[in-house]
Amino acid sequence: NAGVTQTPKFQVLKTGQSMTLQCAQDMNHEYMSWYRQDPGMGLRLIHYSVGAGITDQGEVPNGYNVSRSTTEDFPLRLLSAAPSQTSVYFCASSLTRGGNEQFFGPGTRLTVL
Amino acid sequence: AQSVTQLGSHVSVSEGALVLLRCNYSSSVPPYLFWYVQYPNQGLQLLLKYTTGATLVKGINGFEAEFKKSETSFHLTKPSAHMSDAAEYFCAVIPNTGGFKTIFGAGTRLFVKA
Repeated sequence: NAGVTQTPKFQVLKTGQSMTLQCAQDMNHEYMSWYRQDPGMGLRLIHYSVGAGITDQGEVPNGYNVSRSTTEDFPLRLLSAAPSQTSVYFCASSLTRGGNEQFFGPGTRLTVL
Repeated sequence: AQSVTQLGSHVSVSEGALVLLRCNYSSSVPPYLFWYVQYPNQGLQLLLKYTTGATLVKGINGFEAEFKKSETSFHLTKPSAHMSDAAEYFCAVIPNTGGFKTIFGAGTRLFVKA
């Protein structure tokens, strides 16, 4: 199993550009989520999904869109990049039954100039 | 709302010394409890978790944590620190009320001195 994969590993954007961060998992997990990690702020939930066709907002959703057309894939779209979106982005997945840990991807380091 | 507090954003120990990283949660109903570790430039990985049963939980790399309901705590310990333990550690909970979203603490960076 590859686990959770993310692409790209690094990305530099100019303000106003759009892009999609890719995330895929091969563990048949229902729950998938996107976090951003900023120094001193831990992990903040952006969006999450409990299955194909079902998504919901986390605590910092503004400026981001998601979709879940398959169980495996959960892309994160930046609509119009801003310098405040400079961060490290992690995708994670888990089973939805209580007490199950999340499996994390290796992250995408995004810089917005 | 449920919250997780990790005492100390940075902890420094000498190699061979005891590691103690503190975590407290706010909930009247004990949640599911987790410790994750993040090595530089990597994603998080599970160290250990408590869901039910024995309150002393053993994880990977010699770490263990004890769930204390009366103190609403889940502190992480390791008897003897190794240089390879230098990393960031996150305490996390999932409310035991039918939910599945993980709530993370702010993290504690562990430094190990030679």
